[in-house]
Amino acid sequence: DADVTQTPRNRITKTGKRIMLECSQTKGHDRMYWYRQDPGLGLQLIYYSFDVKDINKGEISDGYSVSRQAQAKFSLSLESAIPNQTALYFCATSDTGQGRDTQYFGPGTRLTVL
Amino acid sequence: QKEVEQNSGPLSVPEGAIASLNCTYSDRGSQSFFWYRQYSGKSPELIMFIYSNGDKEDGRFTAQLNKASQYVSLLIRDSQPSDSATYLCAVKIGSSNTGKLIFGQGTTLQVKP
Repeated sequence: DADVTQTPRNRITKTGKRIMLECSQTKGHDRMYWYRQDPGLGLQLIYYSFDVKDINKGEISDGYSVSRQAQAKFSLSLESAIPNQTALYFCATSDTGQGRDTQYFGPGTRLTVL
Repeated sequence: QKEVEQNSGPLSVPEGAIASLNCTYSDRGSQSFFWYRQYSGKSPELIMFIYSNGDKEDGRFTAQLNKASQYVSLLIRDSQPSDSATYLCAVKIGSSNTGKLIFGQGTTLQVKP
């Protein structure tokens, strides 16, 4: 089984709809991240969480919210989706042990907002 | 100036050649550096990380770090068509234990048979 899973893998929705993307991990890492990637661009950090009670905004948090339900689960919500949120979304995890700060990515969710 | 910069490419090399990918960063306090490979439509996968000045080798891959000049590079020896992908450089900005990485926009590598 994959260490970091994301659901759904693909989603098409309409402008104004509320969308939730979910991420689960079995790596036992405390730190979790949400990124978006647009074609030809690098990864932009949306939100990150260092533990269940510690959630921080990234570079592009406007229009997004998150919930850390447990150490292993980190969800990203788009309260009212808009077309320019069409992108590939990745969840990642990391710990502070050996290979510190190395981030491990889930398979991604391709989101299309019409 | 972007915090982490890469030439977007594409970089085209023949099969069997050495591919050289470069990355520069702006924060002199950066301590950890990572190279990820990303195939089209797939998630980034870690190739290697480097923390100390000099070279670090892992199979066909060598990472080179020069903190004084603020650049990190990745060499791929004996390039194969399967190495064709986008290579992302990532840097942990600053010395604090934040865990945040800043990614470059990636360099697309094409290895031609």
